Amino acid sequence: NAGVTQTPKFRILKIGQSMTLQCAQDMNHNYMYWYRQDPGMGLKLIYYSVGAGITDKGEVPNGYNVSRSTTEDFPLRLELAAPSQTSVYFCASSGQGRTEAFFGQGTRLTVV
Amino acid sequence: TQLLEQSPQFLSIQEGENLTVYCNSSSVFSSLQWYRQEPGEGPVLLVTVVTGGEVKKLKRLTFQFGDARKDSSLHITAAQPGDTGLYLCAAWPYNTDKLIFGTGTRLQVFP
Repeated sequence: NAGVTQTPKFRILKIGQSMTLQCAQDMNHNYMYWYRQDPGMGLKLIYYSVGAGITDKGEVPNGYNVSRSTTEDFPLRLELAAPSQTSVYFCASSGQGRTEAFFGQGTRLTVV
Repeated sequence: TQLLEQSPQFLSIQEGENLTVYCNSSSVFSSLQWYRQEPGEGPVLLVTVVTGGEVKKLKRLTFQFGDARKDSSLHITAAQPGDTGLYLCAAWPYNTDKLIFGTGTRLQVFP
């Protein structure tokens, strides 16, 4: 019972590099979300999607891009990585009833 | 502007003490959720409150939704070291599909 799977778990990037954080869910959920969590803080919404082909900005979208070509996958793209993007990134999904969000285990990203 | 403000931000207590965490907003929500997050893990849902004034109990945890559906509280009775973690409230504001999280309360319970 996989739920929400994120890869990689850890990554170190150099300033200016790019990378894609992968997120996949096997629960046939329409809603998917990307959050970042800085040390000791709550979660800030980066982007979200209500279904394949539909995405929208959250609270902190600058420096990131997303796509949703299938129901299962919701990758997050970082272009031109900056030290301010050092954080833990969580992907989550929710069903149509929006009663609960299920989270992946996170990707810890360090930009040096 | 943070839509959901939690207080306190940090709480460090001895085993057996009681505590209350608050989640406040100027907005009205159709429902509100509480999650707990342990180090290295994603948040996990504890409870969803839906009706204004609703009280839900989960063993030693008591959750209340404000009458006006703008605020919520989490009360823990006789805290145990296993309660240690980051507690987060969350909600979907009306007319949006964004799931917004509160600022978080980090609880440390010492034996």
